Amino acid sequence: DAMVIQNPRYQVTQFGKPVTLSCSQTLNHNVMYWYQQKSSQAPKLLFHYYDKDFNNEADTPDNFQSRRPNTSFCFLDIRSPGLGDAAMYLCATSRDGQGYGQPQHFGDGTRLSIL
Amino acid sequence: RKEVEQDPGPFNVPEGATVAFNCTYSNSASQSFFWYRQDCRKEPKLLMSVYSSGNEDGRFTAQLNRASQYISLLIRDSKLSDSATYLCVVTSYSGAGSYQLTFGKGTKLSVIP
Repeated sequence: DAMVIQNPRYQVTQFGKPVTLSCSQTLNHNVMYWYQQKSSQAPKLLFHYYDKDFNNEADTPDNFQSRRPNTSFCFLDIRSPGLGDAAMYLCATSRDGQGYGQPQHFGDGTRLSIL
Repeated sequence: RKEVEQDPGPFNVPEGATVAFNCTYSNSASQSFFWYRQDCRKEPKLLMSVYSSGNEDGRFTAQLNRASQYISLLIRDSKLSDSATYLCVVTSYSGAGSYQLTFGKGTKLSVIP
């Protein structure tokens, strides 16, 4: 059974039209992450939540926002998607922060296309 | 020097071959190390953690060399199903109580019948 679930698997949106990607987890992990991965590149961390504490990466554009209303759910909001935002978006969880040396568990990803 | 560096490949090997990947990291204070595999257009999946003493899981062996700052992954008796991109992942302390997890770009393996 999937433990980190992302919806939808594929999302098509128009240039500039806001879009929300969702992630849920059944692992009861404290930390949830959002990554952006483009073709033949490493996943790039956008931000993460440790419980309710939001941690933004310095180079994450303001266009990207996130919400975590409860332990199980985390959302990625792209306010005005540009063509350069077309990518695979990966949600991941870990029980505790990276300082504890724990691996991350990934969802299937949402592939975002911009028209 | 990139933080985590891998040979992108592709490595094309026949079934049954043994293949080894290396990954170098620049931060000497790096703490945790992992190998993930990622199939085309799929999510990364944890293959194995890498421990200081080295560890083995079936046909897969991972080694850590802290002095030379690299980790390796050895795959014995390659199967067609091993074809994937193998991502090296390193956790490092980034200051102020924060830790950073850094992915390499991955090494692509194709196992040929």
